[in-house]
Amino acid sequence: DSGVTQTPKHLITATGQRVTLRCSPRSGDLSVYWYQQSLDQGLQFLIQYYNGEERAKGNILERFSAQQFPDLHSELNLSSLELGDSALYFCASSKQTGGETQYFGPGTRLLVL
Amino acid sequence: AQTVTQSQPEMSVQEAETVTLSCTYDTSESDYYLFWYKQPPSRQMILVIRQEAYKQQNATENRFSVNFQKAAKSFSLKISDSQLGDAAMYFCAYRIPPYKYIFGTGTRLKVLA
Repeated sequence: DSGVTQTPKHLITATGQRVTLRCSPRSGDLSVYWYQQSLDQGLQFLIQYYNGEERAKGNILERFSAQQFPDLHSELNLSSLELGDSALYFCASSKQTGGETQYFGPGTRLLVL
Repeated sequence: AQTVTQSQPEMSVQEAETVTLSCTYDTSESDYYLFWYKQPPSRQMILVIRQEAYKQQNATENRFSVNFQKAAKSFSLKISDSQLGDAAMYFCAYRIPPYKYIFGTGTRLKVLA
């Protein structure tokens, strides 16, 4: 158990809908990262927050947005969902924003029908 | 382009034997960090080992060690005394300033009893 929690574990929804994925980092970690892993693919970095502020953006679609709240939990919002958005979404956390290790949550499996 | 290449989609090793997974990367940065993550069937991402680019000494962690060749931009993972529990997808990744992480497409390792 990495100490990073993600809810829900599974999510099934329809095209065009909007969903919110939630992540709670490890105690003491200030940075949260979001990744997308499509079937049998590597991880695509989406976005990173540090202590409530956005610090880095990767290949995140405009239909996706995220935020980190004062209690450091983070939410990833996916809207106007398409079939291709079906994937495993990981959250990871680390203490700061240096080269320290990221610890991954168990992921949220999203299926768009 | 900032890329990570894992040229072996799949590898097999006999239990108790040694296997090496290859990884090459492309970056113009001089300060970065390298990681190997393991993803078992549970899909949890587990850190195996990490290497700071400024360190010449290769990192080791129990049965896992790396061969870091900075000039060649190569970062291979050696697993000694392979165990059935080592069967998983292995992802090579690196972090470049300021906060971006790049992952390879993974190598599936099978351990044969």
